[in-house]
This record gives sequence, C-alpha cells and structure tokens, in this order.
Amino acid sequence: EADIYQTPRYLVIGTGKKITLECSQTMGHDKMYWYQQDPGMELHLIHYSYGVNSTEKGDLSSESTVSRIRTEHFPLTLESARPSHTSQYLCASSELPGVGGYTFGSGTRLTVV
Amino acid sequence: GESVGLHLPTLSVQEGDNSIINCAYSNSASDYFIWYKQESGKGPQFIIDIRSNMDKRQGQRVTVLLNKTVKHLSLQIAATQPGDSAVYFCAEDRGLSNFGNEKLTFGTGTRLTIIP
Repeated sequence: EADIYQTPRYLVIGTGKKITLECSQTMGHDKMYWYQQDPGMELHLIHYSYGVNSTEKGDLSSESTVSRIRTEHFPLTLESARPSHTSQYLCASSELPGVGGYTFGSGTRLTVV
Repeated sequence: GESVGLHLPTLSVQEGDNSIINCAYSNSASDYFIWYKQESGKGPQFIIDIRSNMDKRQGQRVTVLLNKTVKHLSLQIAATQPGDSAVYFCAEDRGLSNFGNEKLTFGTGTRLTIIP
C-alpha cells in the first residue's frame, strides 16, 4: 500500500468558497507533486516541491497555490473555487530520480457547483 | 513542446490473450520510462520501469520494450485477467541526466478492457 494520503476523497463545494486539499506522505520523500486529471485524460503537473520551503509551478497553469512547511505535508489551496476547477487532483511523491517513479495518492475528486 | 503520446485510446482483449499497449515519446533526452496502471477511482500505480540503457525489461506477466531509434515504448501483458482492466499511462523522465529537476511527463492513456 502507498504511504501517501489525500483528503478528502470527494468534495462538492459552491462557487467562491475557499478549499484546501490535503496531502501527506510518511515515506520521508523530499519531492512532492500535484497533478490535475480530467476523467480518462492525461495527468497535468500543476505544482511541485523539491523540499521544505521549495515550491514551483508546473506545466499547466493553475489558480491554486501550495505550501511546503513540513516534509510530509503538501497542501493545495484554492482561494475562490469556480466550476472550471472541477477535476481530480492527484498528489505524488518521489525519492530519487530514476528509481521507481512516483507514488501516488488516491486523489481528491473536486466538484464546484 | 515535448510530449508523450499513446497510439490508441482504447483496447479490448479477450481474457487469457496477450495485450500490447504502445507509446511514442518525442524527447530524445528522456532517460527513464515508466508504465502506470490506473484503476477507476484510484491514483496511478507503478507497474514497471526501464532505463534508456536497456531495450527490454520483464516483470511478472509484464514486459516493457524500448526502441530508442524510433522513440517507442510498449507494454506487453501476458495472459490477461479481468483485473488488468484499467487505464495505462506511459511516462517519461529526464531525471537521470538532470538530477534534482526531474518531472514525469505523462501520455494520454490507453483504456484496456479485458473481455471475459
């Protein structure tokens, strides 16, 4: 079983609300990532972090923000949710490059109404 | 820009038969490739990987083939089972030659359906 946890699994929220998607890993990995995925589609990297206090934007522009205050925790925040943010958000972590790739969480399916 | 793309979006295979899922990549600098399996409602799960200094790697019922000449990657699943039904993604990584700056690039995915 992967030691990376995402909460909540499902979230339905109204437009304009602020939300935080949680991601935690117990593997001590320095590198963590957030991907956005529409059903049956490819994964798009929206944020990544190579360690505490390190965050970078990914290839797909996103209105979300992230923080990395602790190694094990990489939350994603949307200040004002919109229907266009409806998607699945997947968190992942990795240890070394070229070694087993990423370990993914089960994802948060977000619906903004 | 660079991309990793799959040839077929869907594939149906009779249970017990072998399946082959193909993937094309465009960045010749990619040095590490991974196949992931994603079941409905779950995150992608690592299946098998291969480094660019290899052209074949075998696991349990799975084999990955890498053809660097034509930038092609394939995943072969032997004796398919109903549990193999899922979406399969290939991903490329330039991490080995760019330590500390690796990011996986994923393809669109192929939905494999095993017919009982």
